[in-house]
Amino acid sequence: DIQMTQSPSSLSASVGDRVTITCRASQSVNSYLNWYQHKPGKAPKLLIYAASSLRSGVPSRFSGSGSGTDFTLTISSLQPEDFATYYCQQSYSTPLTFGQGTKVEI
Amino acid sequence: QVQLVESGGGLVKPGGSLRLSCAASRFIFSDYYMSWIRQAPGKGLEWISYISGSGSTSYYAGSVKGRFTISRDSAKNSLYLQMNDLRAEDTAVYYCARDYGTNTWTFDYWGQGTLVTVSS
Repeated sequence: DIQMTQSPSSLSASVGDRVTITCRASQSVNSYLNWYQHKPGKAPKLLIYAASSLRSGVPSRFSGSGSGTDFTLTISSLQPEDFATYYCQQSYSTPLTFGQGTKVEI
Repeated sequence: QVQLVESGGGLVKPGGSLRLSCAASRFIFSDYYMSWIRQAPGKGLEWISYISGSGSTSYYAGSVKGRFTISRDSAKNSLYLQMNDLRAEDTAVYYCARDYGTNTWTFDYWGQGTLVTVSS
């Protein structure tokens, strides 16, 4: 199984901050890497797919980069509605696996 | 807007069974692969199973293989998860999710989840 490791596990930030979350795969997943946002009691939301493609309707302050084993999700200017937990997920091979999550809080 | 609504969760004793349902609407259900993904209390997301649009292909995570069965009924626009021999570690919120395309294993729409609690 491909292990996905995110860092940090949590971070404190303020509105307007630039936030970067990293995700490392235990083996290459090429660009088969997705990012999701999850708020308590809500359905998770797809933000970025194929490492760097912004899903339609997702604000442009979200961006993704990387390939192979190292990936980054960046929020250029944190907004109040961005406080949530973020997960990376490899879609390279089954079993599909997620990172452990990064909680972004005030 | 695509809608996915899970149901069927509840409290069940260890060794018991439960069947989850996911009602899909506002898209052509049979065109899309579907998955079940769960989140145990205080834990991250765990993919557990997917099924092809036709229902002919399915795959399971090792943690549920042999105990859980995924299925679908295109006439009812519904996805199912039959869970047998439930264990305490199966306690989680269970989400159904739609595959972004054909077997991309990228989930563009999710339901809000249904809670399964396995406890005596």
